[in-house]
Amino acid sequence: DTAVSQTPKYLVTQMGNDKSIKCEQNLGHDTMYWYKQDSKKFLKIMFSYNNKELIINETVPNRFSPKSPDKAHLNLHINSLELGDSAVYFCASSQEWGQGASNTEAFFGQGTRLTVV
Amino acid sequence: RKEVEQDPGPFNVPEGATVAFNCTYSNSASQSFFWYRQDCRKEPKLLMSVYSSGNEDGRFTAQLNRASQYISLLIRDSKLSDSATYLCVVTLTDSWGKLQFGAGTQVVVTP
Repeated sequence: DTAVSQTPKYLVTQMGNDKSIKCEQNLGHDTMYWYKQDSKKFLKIMFSYNNKELIINETVPNRFSPKSPDKAHLNLHINSLELGDSAVYFCASSQEWGQGASNTEAFFGQGTRLTVV
Repeated sequence: RKEVEQDPGPFNVPEGATVAFNCTYSNSASQSFFWYRQDCRKEPKLLMSVYSSGNEDGRFTAQLNRASQYISLLIRDSKLSDSATYLCVVTLTDSWGKLQFGAGTQVVVTP
């Protein structure tokens, strides 16, 4: 059983389209994340949800809208896709530990390679 | 200046040799430190946490130097399977688990 699974694995789409990436974790974790890895391999957090509540919203264009229907799922919807959105998007989860706590492992999905043409 | 900086490499290492590399972080409020490993076109996976006193996990040794704000990773007796990108990861106090990644150090172990 895959701990954190995201679909699709590959996504090729035209500029201006709207697309969604789905993520599910079966680890019983309370916290889920979306990270973006750009062409320079730099991983940067986009959003974090704790038990369906938005905790972290980095400076991400509002074309990106996360949705968490329950604590095991965190989907990412992207409107009006642009060339610069091409990247690998990773979903992750970790055990909730609250503000100020430390030292927990994040488990990543296999990534969604988004190519905007 | 990036918050977490790493030498991108690649570090070309003969099989059986030792390789070591560092990562520097800019925020003195950094609380927790990790090394993750990422294979080509795969997801990052935790390799090891880094503790203040330094810690070892088999052939891997991690050190933390808070005064100079860097962490290090040493790999002994390198195996071909150690070829990967090693990501330095830092979390800040009160950051709700937000992981700050370095861009990674690529290690290539050659036969």
